[in-house]
Formats: sequence, structure tokens, C-alpha cells
Amino acid sequence: DAKTTQPTSMDCAEGRAANLPCNHSTISGNEYVYWYRQIHSQGPQYIIHGLKNNETNEMASLIITEDRKSSTLILPHATLRDTAVYYCIVSRDYGGSQGNLIFGKGTKLSVKP
Amino acid sequence: ETGVTQTPRHLVMGMTNKKSLKCEQHLGHNAMYWYKQSAKKPLELMFVYNFKEQTENNSVPSRFSPECPNSSHLFLHLHTLQPEDSALYLCASSEVYTKTGELFFGEGSRLTVL
Repeated sequence: DAKTTQPTSMDCAEGRAANLPCNHSTISGNEYVYWYRQIHSQGPQYIIHGLKNNETNEMASLIITEDRKSSTLILPHATLRDTAVYYCIVSRDYGGSQGNLIFGKGTKLSVKP
Repeated sequence: ETGVTQTPRHLVMGMTNKKSLKCEQHLGHNAMYWYKQSAKKPLELMFVYNFKEQTENNSVPSRFSPECPNSSHLFLHLHTLQPEDSALYLCASSEVYTKTGELFFGEGSRLTVL
């Protein structure tokens, strides 16, 4: 699976949009981009995933560049509860075991009042 | 209860003890996983079970012994652990043939080995 590169940490003001970048320049055509987050001392939580097109759900938006070498997770109105480590993961859809998602170190997002 | 439940939430054990971690999922999933998260390190996949059959053992030492009696329950039996095994142990579940890549995690069992 392709490797991802994320900034170690980011700050965001409460109520503003949080834009978390991820580079995945070696991504293959059949690999998806997944985003999870982990609030301190809790299990990771799925946020969103995409292949080529931009995706949006109730939690966030995912913008994938046309060449698919990078993506941005957007939290439109960050709240203090969005403070967490955000993981960008690239993986094939095996149609089976999803435990093959390899978590890196992620980006620690701190939302400040 | 809903989701994925792990017990106990905290466990302290000596190196000669035998203990077990329990995970239960109420989501009707067929795949269950154990992950380990050590301090300041990424999550490491330990074991994967699909339809109660172990499909992956990620080079985990034999002092960790998983058990999956049915699709809803997963255990991690611990014996003669080392202090470096102190970590947050996370259980997750998913549908086996999901196309969403969504894993549902429990809140974890924090293990301290003295």
C-alpha cells in the first residue's frame, strides 16, 4: 500500500474551517484514501473515504487532486471536540479484511477557542 | 448496548499473571481485529478474524493468544507479558465484504505490565 505524509501538528480556531493535507504521491489506481481520527484515549473513528471524486458527509469533506497524489480533509466548522489525531490512510479495497489499513502517525489537530 | 465494547478498560498485571481482554460487538459484523497502540507509536495490527477464522497474525509473540468463539466475541489471552507490552489494546469490527473501509473501534483496554 502507498505511503502517506502528513504534517505532525496543526492549529485551528474554533468555528473556522480546518484543512488537513495529506500527500500520497505513490498511490495506485485501485487504492482508496481513508481518513480516521482518534480523540485522546479513545479508539479511532472513521470519517470519510474516496477514490477519485470529492466526497462529503455529515462530518467532513474530502478533496482529492486530479492526479490523486494528494488530498485534503476539510472540517467546515471546527469545534473543540474536533481536537484529535487525524490519520490519512491509503489502501486497496480488498473486499475482505479491512484490518489492512495501516495507520501512520497522523496530524494532531488542536482546535483553540 | 451498541457498538464495540471492551473490558476491562484498565488492567494492571505482573509479568507472571494470566489475564484476558474481552471484546464484544453488537453490529452484526463478521470480522474482528486486535490492534496495539504503544505510547507515541502508530497503531499496529495484531490479529484478524473473518467469520471466526484467524486470517492474519502479524508476527505477534505467542504470549498473546487470541480467541474468537463466535462472530460477536473476541478475546486476547495474556500470559508472561513483559513491561514493554504495556499499551492500549484496541478491538475493532467490520463487515467482511464492506466497500467503505470502515472499521468500528472500541474504546480500548489500557494494559500496564509491572
